[in-house]
Amino acid sequence: SQTIHQWPATLVQPVGSPLSLECTVEGTSNPNLYWYRQAAGRGLQLLFYSVGIGQISSEVPQNLSASRPQDRQFILSSKKLLLSDSGFYLCAWDSEHEQYFGPGTRLTVT
Amino acid sequence: AQSVTQLDSHVSVSEGTPVLLRCNYSSSYSPSLFWYVQHPNKGLQLLLKYTSAATLVKGINGFEAEFKKSETSFHLTKPSAHMSDAAEYFCVVSESSYKLIFGSGTRLLVRP
Repeated sequence: SQTIHQWPATLVQPVGSPLSLECTVEGTSNPNLYWYRQAAGRGLQLLFYSVGIGQISSEVPQNLSASRPQDRQFILSSKKLLLSDSGFYLCAWDSEHEQYFGPGTRLTVT
Repeated sequence: AQSVTQLDSHVSVSEGTPVLLRCNYSSSYSPSLFWYVQHPNKGLQLLLKYTSAATLVKGINGFEAEFKKSETSFHLTKPSAHMSDAAEYFCVVSESSYKLIFGSGTRLLVRP
């Protein structure tokens, strides 16, 4: 069966520091992968999606970037964090138009 | 463009009573619609989905939703609430294979 992992589970970083969040999927090949951000008390906002290695589409302009170095690995990065980058970050993959979410990473920028 | 509106930010029910979480959508063509549940500090879990088959969709944990095109609604219901149902629920419309549009969420509180 397919599983999706995210780490770290929680992260506290100072403003201006770099960021790297990792997402990996097991049990499937060539999945579509997604990064979402959930601000406090709000729905999810799609940040990036990827249909294959090295293929990244950005949905909104922001301080973040994404990369897909391997088929089942999706990384969310920033060179310098802003306070507004705080939130709950969720990775997802899809199958037959259903998206399956990872456990999430709670990022607090101080 | 597609959008989805969850009409209640919070819903409070007593254990054993029915649950109704309301959702209206806007779409220029036949949409795919979903309900997801999120427990605190957890990822999202798919409850059910509608993809132009039967208008009454049954999901996990006793939840179901009815697609009403004339009312552009996709309300989520459950006959009898359980304490474990307390969570945040998101109504979602699919714009394409790649893009889901999320509602702002409804937080369900279940009183003992």
